[in-house]
Amino acid sequence: DIQMTQSPSLLSASVGDRVTINCKASQNINKYLNWYQQKLGEAPKLLIYNTNNLQTGIPSRFSGSGSGTDYTLTISSLQPEDFGTYFCFQHNSWPTFGAGTKLELK
Amino acid sequence: QVQLKESGPGLVQPSQTLSLTCTVSGFSLTSYNVHWVRQPPGKGLEWMGRMRYNGDTSYNSALKSRLSISRDTSKNQVFLKMNSLQTDDTGTYYCTRDRAYTTNFDYWGQGVMVTVSS
Repeated sequence: DIQMTQSPSLLSASVGDRVTINCKASQNINKYLNWYQQKLGEAPKLLIYNTNNLQTGIPSRFSGSGSGTDYTLTISSLQPEDFGTYFCFQHNSWPTFGAGTKLELK
Repeated sequence: QVQLKESGPGLVQPSQTLSLTCTVSGFSLTSYNVHWVRQPPGKGLEWMGRMRYNGDTSYNSALKSRLSISRDTSKNQVFLKMNSLQTDDTGTYYCTRDRAYTTNFDYWGQGVMVTVSS
């Protein structure tokens, strides 16, 4: 199975900051990489699919990039509602999630 | 509108079988896949398996020997059964959907908390 390594596991940031979250796959996943946001007590929400495609209704401050084994989620200007946990997810082969990055208020 | 809702027992005894139902509305099970994803308390997400739009199933290799997913399209329901439950199967179980071969989970159920304990 493909292993997904996310970093950092904890990120402290302020409103207005630009933040990046990284995800590294154990092998090439051909850009089949999605990003999900989860808030406490809620189901995950799809933000970005296939590396860089913004899901309908997601603000343009979210963006994704990457190729091969290395992928990044960027939030250009952090808003109060963006705090939560972010998971990467590969679906190039049997689906696997990263362990998550908790984004907290500094 | 699109909805998915999980239901099932909140408490299961060790070694017993878990049975969950995902009832969907606003879309057809013959056009969308339904997946099961679980999350232990305070931990990450694990993909468990899927029921494809055409009735085919796929399972996480780590769970395959214990897991079965089925459906009743007339009732708009997808079922999960997992046997030989242990305490580390405790967590929130979600059903979610994706279209055909996209594996983009655009709608999720609210989740159902399952505790494995005697």
